[in-house]
Amino acid sequence: AQTVTQSQPEMSVQEAETVTLSCTYDTSESDYYLFWYKQPPSRQMILVIRQEAYKQQNATENRFSVNFQKAAKSFSLKISDSQLGDAAMYFCAYRSAYTGTASKLTFGTGTRLQVTL
Amino acid sequence: DAGVIQSPRHEVTEMGQEVTLRCKPISGHNSLFWYRQTMMRGLELLIYFNNNVPIDDSGMPEDRFSAKMPNASFSTLKIQPSEPRDSAVYFCASSGSSGGPIRDTQYFGPGTRLTVL
Repeated sequence: AQTVTQSQPEMSVQEAETVTLSCTYDTSESDYYLFWYKQPPSRQMILVIRQEAYKQQNATENRFSVNFQKAAKSFSLKISDSQLGDAAMYFCAYRSAYTGTASKLTFGTGTRLQVTL
Repeated sequence: DAGVIQSPRHEVTEMGQEVTLRCKPISGHNSLFWYRQTMMRGLELLIYFNNNVPIDDSGMPEDRFSAKMPNASFSTLKIQPSEPRDSAVYFCASSGSSGGPIRDTQYFGPGTRLTVL
């Protein structure tokens, strides 16, 4: 079974600064997807970024980028130019690619990000 | 396009009562997932459907929980009888290669906050 570990329960960053959230995972599969979801106080789960394991290039979405290290099974999220609206719980998630769309997400325990002025 | 729709957004009920949560997936998606989020257990998958057929219900906590997907645009999660330990946020998510801006990614509804007194 796959596991996802987020070792930082809480992180804090000043507005306009950069912060990196860590995520490691364990799997015996070679093809999979990794995701970062954001959960603000509204509880809505919002997709931030996704990475396909077979792609070597790190995914980027505006101020959000990942550092995907497949051999190390590491998938960190970097938030640049942090904004107050980035304050939320961030979840790392893993999904197997072998069963198509019918494949569950395995989530980490989350990292709560605070953004200070 | 409308996202995943869940109703009700909040439900408060008394122990022993029947609770029904509803979900409408994104049009064109063929996979539907029910997750539960609690402080103690984090986000966990309860059950998921592919093409309206239940694929894995191993996450359903006990016989008091049941889920149905009578057609491609509607699913229910029922708890009968409800207990205080069922209090949680219940999320519905959908995915599919034919809908949404990113293939095979799960999109979440806003969740239903259930409180059982």
